[in-house]
Amino acid sequence: SQKIEQNSEALNIQEGKTATLTCNYTNYSPAYLQWYRQDPGRGPVFLLLIRENEKEKRKERLKVTFDTTLKQSLFHITASQPADSATYLCALAGRSQGNLIFGKGTKLSVKP
Amino acid sequence: NAGVTQTPKFQVLKTGQSMTLQCAQDMNHNSMYWYRQDPGMGLRLIYYSASEGTTDKGEVPNGYNVSRLNKREFSLRLESAAPSQTSVYFCASRETEKSEKLFFGSGTQLSVL
Repeated sequence: SQKIEQNSEALNIQEGKTATLTCNYTNYSPAYLQWYRQDPGRGPVFLLLIRENEKEKRKERLKVTFDTTLKQSLFHITASQPADSATYLCALAGRSQGNLIFGKGTKLSVKP
Repeated sequence: NAGVTQTPKFQVLKTGQSMTLQCAQDMNHNSMYWYRQDPGMGLRLIYYSASEGTTDKGEVPNGYNVSRLNKREFSLRLESAAPSQTSVYFCASRETEKSEKLFFGSGTQLSVL
């Protein structure tokens, strides 16, 4: 069956360091992959989208990579800040059916 | 610019009661979705509507019904609530012609006792 795994439930890092979050998938051929941020008591907010034919996307301090051979996406936050503390979700959409399937999320805590 | 608005924000039901969760979007989006989010389970799709007048089942549709009232509104109904339906419910919308990203509401926290 299709499976999406975000390897860490929680990640704690020091302010200023780079946070790296992982999203792996099996039995799936996604057309694209998205990353969302979710704060407590709020709905997810879209951050970045990367397509199957793209290797890397950047937006300010955020960088996403997509390796369809490894079936993995990495999400990086450089120069992390306490305000980056949140849960980050990855989501995949298939080619034939565009509905997103979400991972369980990684809770990032950035300590000052 | 309100985006996606869900009501109510909180609700407590007794087993067997019914209720409707309301969702409205003001972005003229074609597609709308209902997800539930449970600890350790992530977001799971209940129902979706690709366009006005159409609805389809998602991953976990049992115990729910939906109505796409018009392009703006998409409601989720629990006919006979069960404790297993205790969850946080999110409505989302997407302009499928222009973008694949979802816009989410702020959620409804539902407890069924």
